[in-house]
Amino acid sequence: DGGITQSPKYLFRKEGQNVTLSCEQNLNHDAMYWYRQDPGQGLRLIYYSQIVNDFQKGDIAEGYSVSREKKESFPLTVTSAQKNPTAFYLCASAGQGHTGELFFGEGSRLTVL
Amino acid sequence: GESVGLHLPTLSVQEGDNSIINCAYSNSASDYFIWYKQESGKGPQFIIDIRSNMDKRQGQRVTVLLNKTVKHLSLQIAATQPGDSAVYFCAENGYNQGGKLIFGQGTELSVKP
Repeated sequence: DGGITQSPKYLFRKEGQNVTLSCEQNLNHDAMYWYRQDPGQGLRLIYYSQIVNDFQKGDIAEGYSVSREKKESFPLTVTSAQKNPTAFYLCASAGQGHTGELFFGEGSRLTVL
Repeated sequence: GESVGLHLPTLSVQEGDNSIINCAYSNSASDYFIWYKQESGKGPQFIIDIRSNMDKRQGQRVTVLLNKTVKHLSLQIAATQPGDSAVYFCAENGYNQGGKLIFGQGTELSVKP
């Protein structure tokens, strides 16, 4: 079945360590997005990519990095520079020419101890 | 700057009653709006969308109303069921912002049996 897969679902890391969250989609979508969600809050855009080998910063990109080497994959690295990394991270994708509808993964919950 | 916000952070309704979730937006240039449903620990799921050239759109048990005059969006759920309990987000297409969605804070809907 087509869909968007995030892994791992839960992740624990010590403070100061980098961690990479995986996002894979087999929907043949051009655009991919990473959002951060804190408890009781909406979604805030971290990074997005509208085409392979290209990506742009979102509203809260500091302390994060991404790559888009393949159309299917858009991994997010949470670096030690991110001051408050504990959060729920959501990856999404959208097809070419989309007007807004995003398809979301199930999320990855990162807890930094 | 532009923002999408919700009037009520929580809403509690009796099973079988109708629910109305409200949303205000400030970017008058936005031309596409979406409602998402997010169950606990999961990614948001698309419910219904509406374009700015419409003022009403109906789906299965859900209706979205758009009032461009006062920049207001609402989601109506008919005969609310326990399975409707979730957080509901409105989002607007960030016109002139590369198609990025701007999400509101969310409203938590709780359905009492």
